[in-house]
This record gives sequence, structure tokens and C-alpha cells, in this order.
Amino acid sequence: GIQVEQSPPDLILQEGANSTLRCNFSDSVNNLQWFHQNPWGQLINLFYIPSGTKQNGRLSATTVATERYSLLYISSSQTTDSGVYFCAGSDSGGGADGLTFGKGTHLIIQP
Amino acid sequence: ETGVTQTPRHLVMGMTNKKSLKCEQHLGHNAMYWYKQSAKKPLELMFVYSLEERVENNSVPSRFSPECPNSSHLFLHLHTLQPEDSALYLCASSQAYTIRETQYFGPGTRLLVL
Repeated sequence: GIQVEQSPPDLILQEGANSTLRCNFSDSVNNLQWFHQNPWGQLINLFYIPSGTKQNGRLSATTVATERYSLLYISSSQTTDSGVYFCAGSDSGGGADGLTFGKGTHLIIQP
Repeated sequence: ETGVTQTPRHLVMGMTNKKSLKCEQHLGHNAMYWYKQSAKKPLELMFVYSLEERVENNSVPSRFSPECPNSSHLFLHLHTLQPEDSALYLCASSQAYTIRETQYFGPGTRLLVL
């Protein structure tokens, strides 16, 4: 199966700062998604982005499929952005839509 | 917002107990998933169901037993668990199993095995 590496593992920022989170894959991936897990454990889907760029408010994501990485941008951070950000994907050879997740980036936004 | 609900939200059980986790999705999806999230580890896929049939089982111990009576409900039956099974158990659903669709997650059940 594919390996998913996320960086940085931890990130502490002041409110209003911008950040970039990275996700590298060991092989070609389909079904690449970014999630935010809030401090209560709930996992929220942010983007379904197998390639290209998408934007949703202060968040945007870019996936360069040929180079096997994806980036999540958070602008003008707010304290409610705190939590763990996961990227996940499934490999192109598999029939399952079960995702392989990275270990996540733990983001703390301080007021 | 979430169209996937899970009960209970928290569960404490002894190693000899039998309990069940419940997941319900209100999105009209055909595929449902169980994931396990342990501290400091990536999310692990446990089971996948498509149209009420199990299509993937990732070497999960037999003390975890899934059940999918219909496309809206998914259960995880637990028996003789070990303390290392303490984790957050997440249920997810997607439109279909064969189409690369977004997965939507429930709030999770936080399980503590004593």
C-alpha cells in the first residue's frame, strides 16, 4: 500500500498568520482528501482534490499528482482552525475506497 | 455539519464485557466504513461495506465484529477487548464504493477498555 507523510507534525502560530501544510505520497494516489479533526475528535472533510487547486474561504489546496504531493494553505488563521489536519488517499491499483491516512499535522492557533 | 451520527459518544468497558457501537448515515450513501484512531497513530481502516456487503477487512482481530443490516446502519460489536483497543472509533460513509467519492465522517466513539 501507499505511504503518506505529512509535515510539519506540529505547528504553533499566532492568530492571523498564514500556514502551509504538506502531504507526500509514496506512489500515485487517487481520491486524495484533506480533513480537519477538531479538538472534540470530529473529522470534517475539507477538500476532495486528486489534482489541481481548490479554494474554500480562507482555505485552499493544491495537488501536483505527477510529483505526488499536496499542499493545504490556511490564511489569516483563527483559533477555531486549531486541531489536527489529515491528508489521505487510496492507491490507483486498489479497488477499495478505504483511505490511507497520514499521521496528521497538529496545528495550534494562539490568540 | 454531519449527516453521520454515532452512538455512544463515549464508552468505558471491561475486558470481559460485550458492547456495540452504532453508526447511522442520513446521506443516502451506499458505502460505510469503520476506522480506528489510536493516539499518535494514523487513522486505520478496519472494515468497508458496500450495499450491505463487506468488501474489505484489514486484518482486524476477531474480537471486533461488524454488522451492516442495511445501507444506512453500521454496527461494530465488541467482545473481550484489550486495553490497547482503547481508541477513537470513527464511522464514515460515501456515495459509492467504486466511485472516488468524498468520505463523510461521524463524530466518533471514544472507547476506553479497562
